Amino acid sequence: DAGVTQSPTHLIKTRGQQVTLRCSPISGHKSVSWYQQVLGQGPQFIFQYYEKEERGRGNFPDRFSARQFPNYSSELNVNALLLGDSALYLCASSLYVGLAGASNTGELFFGEGSRLTVL
Amino acid sequence: AQKVTQAQTEISVVEKEDVTLDCVYETRDTTYYLFWYKQPPSGELVFLIRRNSFDEQNEISGRYSWNFQKSTSSFNFTITASQVVDSAVYFCAPRPGGSHNNDMRFGAGTRLTVKP
Repeated sequence: DAGVTQSPTHLIKTRGQQVTLRCSPISGHKSVSWYQQVLGQGPQFIFQYYEKEERGRGNFPDRFSARQFPNYSSELNVNALLLGDSALYLCASSLYVGLAGASNTGELFFGEGSRLTVL
Repeated sequence: AQKVTQAQTEISVVEKEDVTLDCVYETRDTTYYLFWYKQPPSGELVFLIRRNSFDEQNEISGRYSWNFQKSTSSFNFTITASQVVDSAVYFCAPRPGGSHNNDMRFGAGTRLTVKP
């Protein structure tokens, strides 16, 4: 079975531009989460969507937005790019939205990420 | 406020040595969950273990073992007989007990290098 897939894998943009990153979750997973990982740091939570509804939002400006489609794939959009937006953007999918359920380990399945460089 | 600290930035060992990765999670929550993830050079994060704050029993799974002490807020992860393939960045990631989403608070990570 295919894991979490993300596209593009690498991209270069200039300040002020807009970018759209895409994620396809594991088949059967209804929850998609986005994380930003700046070089040398741990990932930071940006958004979570479950059944096409936003279920969580991290401390990121309104320039960041996301959505989830009926097939549970997701897009992350970042407008008015800044140099500080350069990072690895990770998408994670899961069966569940939180930690409820006796069989729920809470495991997130991550893709290999989209590396964004802003010049 | 919660704070997760991985004080070891980098660790280098020789193959077959045991290595322990430290994590301290400071929180006022009485219920929380602690995860360890591994990030190999390819970039994707791989789930290793999850522990609950209300379960202090230490466990061993293959070459992995973990030691959780709630009194000191420490959640340490040990790899015995390390292998070159264990080389990666390891993240401790707490999750608040009342969380209804996947907001995980990753630490800064510890880069482990296992030399042949």
